[in-house]
Amino acid sequence: EAQVTQNPRYLITVTGKKLTVTCSQNMNHEYMSWYRQDPGLGLRQIYYSMNVEVTDKGDVPEGYKVSRKEKRNFPLILESPSPNQTSLYFCASSLGGPQRAQYFGPGTRLTVL
Amino acid sequence: SQQGEEDPQALSIQEGENATMNCSYKTSINNLQWYRQNSGRGLVHLILIRSNEREKHSGRLRVTLDTSKKSSSLLITASRAADTASYFCATVLLIQGAQKLVFGQGTRLTINP
Repeated sequence: EAQVTQNPRYLITVTGKKLTVTCSQNMNHEYMSWYRQDPGLGLRQIYYSMNVEVTDKGDVPEGYKVSRKEKRNFPLILESPSPNQTSLYFCASSLGGPQRAQYFGPGTRLTVL
Repeated sequence: SQQGEEDPQALSIQEGENATMNCSYKTSINNLQWYRQNSGRGLVHLILIRSNEREKHSGRLRVTLDTSKKSSSLLITASRAADTASYFCATVLLIQGAQKLVFGQGTRLTINP
């Protein structure tokens, strides 16, 4: 089944404790991206990747890192999480970039205390 | 970045009625995408309409695009309880030389049985 998976789905952590949210897709998509969704602010792009080893900042990259060592994986790293990073996070992928249909993961609900 | 704006923000109708949501955008586009999001879950791509298309259908969904007015509408006919969700339009902006997919704030649709 074609899908985007994220782990964990739910995470409660404390300020400053490094964490990684994994994202994997099995559709051989070149383009992958991370969004955060907050009430009243909508979906905002954090980082995106056009292909392996090619990543770039979205609208709200501060406090986040990404890597794209393999085509299928695009982990989101929070080196030192802060409470303002409490949010619902989505990974998405597409064949050919932002002009094409995006396939979203199920989301990761992160709470930073 | 803000591009698409949906109208209304919330819509509540009876099952069986038609639901219409509108999206306005500011810059010229190659295409416009519509997505559905069930509460707290990942977005699901519904329809992509290209700038040279005026109307597109998919099952009970009908999307129109008026590039002269920079607006699009999503019509759901014969609504069902399962259509209860938030609906987002998305377009691509060129920001500092990079294409970025930007989502509107969404319309929250409630179908009452």
